[in-house]
Amino acid sequence: DAGVIQSPRHEVTEMGQEVTLRCKPISGHNSLFWYRQTMMRGLELLIYFNNNVPIDDSGMPEDRFSAKMPNASFSTLKIQPSEPRDSAVYFCASSFRGRSSQPQHFGDGTRLSIL
Amino acid sequence: GESVGLHLPTLSVQEGDNSIINCAYSNSASDYFIWYKQESGKGPQFIIDIRSNMDKRQGQRVTVLLNKTVKHLSLQIAATQPGDSAVYFCPSAGKLIFGQGTTLQVKP
Repeated sequence: DAGVIQSPRHEVTEMGQEVTLRCKPISGHNSLFWYRQTMMRGLELLIYFNNNVPIDDSGMPEDRFSAKMPNASFSTLKIQPSEPRDSAVYFCASSFRGRSSQPQHFGDGTRLSIL
Repeated sequence: GESVGLHLPTLSVQEGDNSIINCAYSNSASDYFIWYKQESGKGPQFIIDIRSNMDKRQGQRVTVLLNKTVKHLSLQIAATQPGDSAVYFCPSAGKLIFGQGTTLQVKP
């Protein structure tokens, strides 16, 4: 079974450039999460969607960050313009939220470096 | 032997010893608890969970204990192996706050 698929695995770009991270959740999952991981702050939630609708975006750092989920099988996280402090590993996760809680399944992340 | 990490950022244990990683939660209404393991270069992976109607759940070499009275959760790893070296998370607040986790280092 395919897990959560993220692309690209690595991205190096210059500050000011637009960055788009992509995620394909596990088929049948109805919740999708974007996280950012740094040494200083650990793993922090940026935004999550339920049935393609953003539920909580309070973790999104600022207006330079935006996330979309146009359908149940695809989501993007965009940074425009990018800054060196955005350098981190970005993870996407999905889960099925029904009557009982279920664990999240994570992708292997996108390692982003902004020069 | 046995080593216990009480919310420490790093726990160092000898290969073959038992490890205990501790976690506290604040929401008395929490009814489901999960432990994740993150190996270097990978995303966190689910290892074991427990619901609030249970006190203990066992997996392969791992055991999770839940003490609802003091709102405490622990992950016990028996006969710790080098492959257990990773960061361990017990997310709280609706399972969405992960933080820094506890890094388990296994010494040969």
